[in-house]
Amino acid sequence: AQKITQTQPGMFVQEKEAVTLDCTYDTSDQSYGLFWYKQPSSGEMIFLIYQGSYDEQNATEGRYSLNFQKARKSANLVISASQLGDSAMYFCAMRAHQAGGTSYGKLTFGQGTILTVHP
Amino acid sequence: GAVVSQHPSRVICKSGTSVKIECRSLDFQATTMFWYRQFPKQSLMLMATSNEGSKATYEQGVEKDKFLINHASLTLSTLTVTSAHPEDSSFYICSAYRGSTDTQYFGPGTRLTVL
Repeated sequence: AQKITQTQPGMFVQEKEAVTLDCTYDTSDQSYGLFWYKQPSSGEMIFLIYQGSYDEQNATEGRYSLNFQKARKSANLVISASQLGDSAMYFCAMRAHQAGGTSYGKLTFGQGTILTVHP
Repeated sequence: GAVVSQHPSRVICKSGTSVKIECRSLDFQATTMFWYRQFPKQSLMLMATSNEGSKATYEQGVEKDKFLINHASLTLSTLTVTSAHPEDSSFYICSAYRGSTDTQYFGPGTRLTVL
């Protein structure tokens, strides 16, 4: 079974500063993928960044970077130069890389962190 | 990127009625679609995995007779909430899995309110 834990229900950051959102995971799978999604108040799920378990480099996408520490089973999201529009709920998710079967592509989500950016 | 639509975006219904929510992959074929339920400020809870041409696989605790899922084509899955009650009020999100990119694409969600 897979489990994702986000221990920060809410986080506050000043505009233009960096913020780290924590995510730890538990899995017995050797191959897996880790995702971060942003969900603004509209409800849509916006894909931010992906890290494969065998990727040696930490993933980066613009102002988003993923601090992947495999031994610690953590995949923290770092948002640099926060903007007011970054205020939203953020979800960490994991997918096992199982070939075939109905579970292929299935995601397990963490509890989420509500980020508020102050001007 | 790939586009997934949901219809309706919002629905209000009376207790005891049934509501159908459609999830469409607009520019790719999806053999697998997923249905999630989300309460305010909570995580997405997977309800079921919908596979084209076969029965859906429901997560533990989800009543399959209450939440009917049909995946009749490679671009359409439907979720029907039967005999809806106020406790079924929630945000329902679907996603479609695209094998060629190994990615799930999410729909915009449907907000269901049962009076």
